[in-house]
Amino acid sequence: QSALTQPASVSGSPGQSITISCTGTSSDVGGYNYVSWYQQHPGKAPKLMIYDVSNRPSGVSNRFSGSKSGNTASLTISGLQAEDEADYYCSSYTSSSTQVFGTGTKVTVL
Amino acid sequence: EVHLLESGGDLVQPGGSLRLSCAASGFTFSSYAMSWVRQAPGKGLEWVSAISDSGGSTHYADSVKGRFTISRDNSKNTLYLQMNSLRAEDTALYYCARAVTTRPEYWGQGTLVTVSS
Repeated sequence: QSALTQPASVSGSPGQSITISCTGTSSDVGGYNYVSWYQQHPGKAPKLMIYDVSNRPSGVSNRFSGSKSGNTASLTISGLQAEDEADYYCSSYTSSSTQVFGTGTKVTVL
Repeated sequence: EVHLLESGGDLVQPGGSLRLSCAASGFTFSSYAMSWVRQAPGKGLEWVSAISDSGGSTHYADSVKGRFTISRDNSKNTLYLQMNSLRAEDTALYYCARAVTTRPEYWGQGTLVTVSS
């Protein structure tokens, strides 16, 4: 199972919106509405930010939103803040009943 | 509050074996699927394995299938990962996570496995 494709880095100024893409295939992202997104700060464990394409767990800011079109999912962070600087990973359920992660995106707040 | 504490990570020679444990608290362990995810130093996340709430269903990444075995003891609120025939590329921080089917939800802080001679 190949990793999902994400841009290596995305940057934005405070207050701006940024979008991270996550491209897979019809056997994972495109085949199921089971895409999730994780935030990981340096030296910390990942934190679930979005599940099932567009749902936010309790306690996650509504500045984070998710969507999907075909084989590509997206995470949008609006009103970018310094604390949003971190690595972000997408993940999807697959046709093999496994999970696959994306390559990861480093978000920099300028 | 969900709490997951991994242990068992160590330095092991190529071809060796190791068993990781994950002690869970703060939730009804027997009601949730569990998973293992690893992260090689400076690299991205890699899903490793998942097990259903009863332990009756297990799933593995192709990279570990046939070498790793996931199991759980619901009476002890503990998740395990038996790792055999270890390779240098298995070197990573191994996270335990409460899951929804195979999707990790809450994560522990990880235990480090180093495979080297």
